Amino acid sequence: DTGVSQNPRHKITKRGQNVTFRCDPISEHNRLYWYRQTLGQGPEFLTYFQNEAQLEKSRLLSDRFSAERPKGSFSTLEIQRTEQGDSAMYLCASSQGTSRDEQYFGPGTRLTVT
Amino acid sequence: GDSVTQMEGPVTLSEEAFLTINCTYTATGYPSLFWYVQYPGEGLQLLLKATKADDKGSNKGFEATYRKETTSFHLEKGSVQVSDSAVYFCALSTNAGGTSYGKLTFGQGTILTVHP
Repeated sequence: DTGVSQNPRHKITKRGQNVTFRCDPISEHNRLYWYRQTLGQGPEFLTYFQNEAQLEKSRLLSDRFSAERPKGSFSTLEIQRTEQGDSAMYLCASSQGTSRDEQYFGPGTRLTVT
Repeated sequence: GDSVTQMEGPVTLSEEAFLTINCTYTATGYPSLFWYVQYPGEGLQLLLKATKADDKGSNKGFEATYRKETTSFHLEKGSVQVSDSAVYFCALSTNAGGTSYGKLTFGQGTILTVHP
């Protein structure tokens, strides 16, 4: 098991374009989280999946953002009509079972919107 | 809502100095508390955790004690090394009524630089 992986690691896009990020969690983990981290700040929660069900979304997740986890394995996060304010590091984490279990983080996808 | 406040940084120390990074929290329910570390160019890694009051988490010479009475979880290390240079994040997760699903609320992070 190589841990949580995220692709791409870096993405540069022009304002107004759509982007999609992928997260592959640790294989036996049924919980998957997305966070966003801007420079000089701690990560902020975006959304949570238990298996394939999206159970919680932050108010930070505007209508331009959508996340999926088909079949409860990998997850994708799509941002439509990107804005410069979307520039950030997008982090994915997974955990095994209960709310007190450790979350394992991927290396993140750095998005730059020009 | 839940929140975590860390001491303002950055923190610069000489090797073998004593380290304290303060962390206080506000939470509903009974949170679990965590310290995560982010080394340059790497992802977030769990450093230590404590899941109930008076628990002490420890790892790699770092320690933190869950103090419910002061709502604090300060990180300490007796003798820092250059390799400890990183960004440290205090975080909490709650399971208030089973609805928070373990999402983490982070502090803003503290940059630690250790000089030889």
